[in-house]
Amino acid sequence: QQQVKQSPQSLIVQKGGISIINCAYENTAFDYFPWYQQFPGKGPALLIAIRPDVSEKKEGRFTISFNKSAKQFSLHIMDSQPGDSATYFCAAWDSGAGSYQLTFGKGTKLSVIP
Amino acid sequence: GAVVSQHPSWVICKSGTSVKIECRSLDFQATTMFWYRQFPKQSLMLMATSNEGSKATYEQGVEKDKFLINHASLTLSTLTVTSAHPEDSSFYICSARDDKLLAGGRNIQYFGAGTRLSVL
Repeated sequence: QQQVKQSPQSLIVQKGGISIINCAYENTAFDYFPWYQQFPGKGPALLIAIRPDVSEKKEGRFTISFNKSAKQFSLHIMDSQPGDSATYFCAAWDSGAGSYQLTFGKGTKLSVIP
Repeated sequence: GAVVSQHPSWVICKSGTSVKIECRSLDFQATTMFWYRQFPKQSLMLMATSNEGSKATYEQGVEKDKFLINHASLTLSTLTVTSAHPEDSSFYICSARDDKLLAGGRNIQYFGAGTRLSVL
C-alpha cells in the first residue's frame, strides 16, 4: 500500500516557468512533510518541510502548499532554472508512531530546459 | 548545513566477498540512522533502522544475516553486505536524524551521498 502518492512521474518545464509537483496521502496521522531533492548519483538533500498547522511555507523560490482537508501538499518551484533539474521526493512522517521512519513518494524527475 | 559522510562512494567486489559501508554524521549526533537501497529511477526503499547501542530494526524481506548493521557510536553506523552476489548490486544510501532538531515536531534527516555497489 502506497501511503504517499506523488505526481507527475516526470515533468519538463521551460526556464523561468513554474514547476509544480503534487503529493497526496491517506494517513491522517502524518504531521510532518519534507521535500527532498536528489541529483543523479547523489543522496537526497532536504529542501523544505512543512507541518499541517500552516497552509504555505516559502523558502526562496521553493514553496510548499498544504491542504489538510484534501490531504494533499505540493511543491512549487518559481522561476525554474536548469540547475533545478533533479528528482524530487515528497515524504511524510507520523510523529506519534514511535518511529522516525519517513514514508517517501515515488519521485518526480524534473527537467528544466533553457 | 549538517553533513553526513558516506564511504566509500563506489565499490566493485567479487561475488562472495563482504563489503562494509560507513555512514558518519560529521557535526551532529545521531541516535537513529537509516539505510536505504535505491534502484535506478526508483524511490528509496528502507532496509533498516539503525539505533545506537541496540540492534537494528529490519524491514520485512530484508535479510538480517546478509545486511549486518552496527551503530556503535552516536556518529557512526556501518552496513556490511556479507557474501555479496550480483543481485546485491545497487545504490545504498544512509541518512542520519539530528538528535537536537526535534523541537516543533520536526524530523530532520540528512542523507549521505550514497554508495554504488557493483558485484561481479
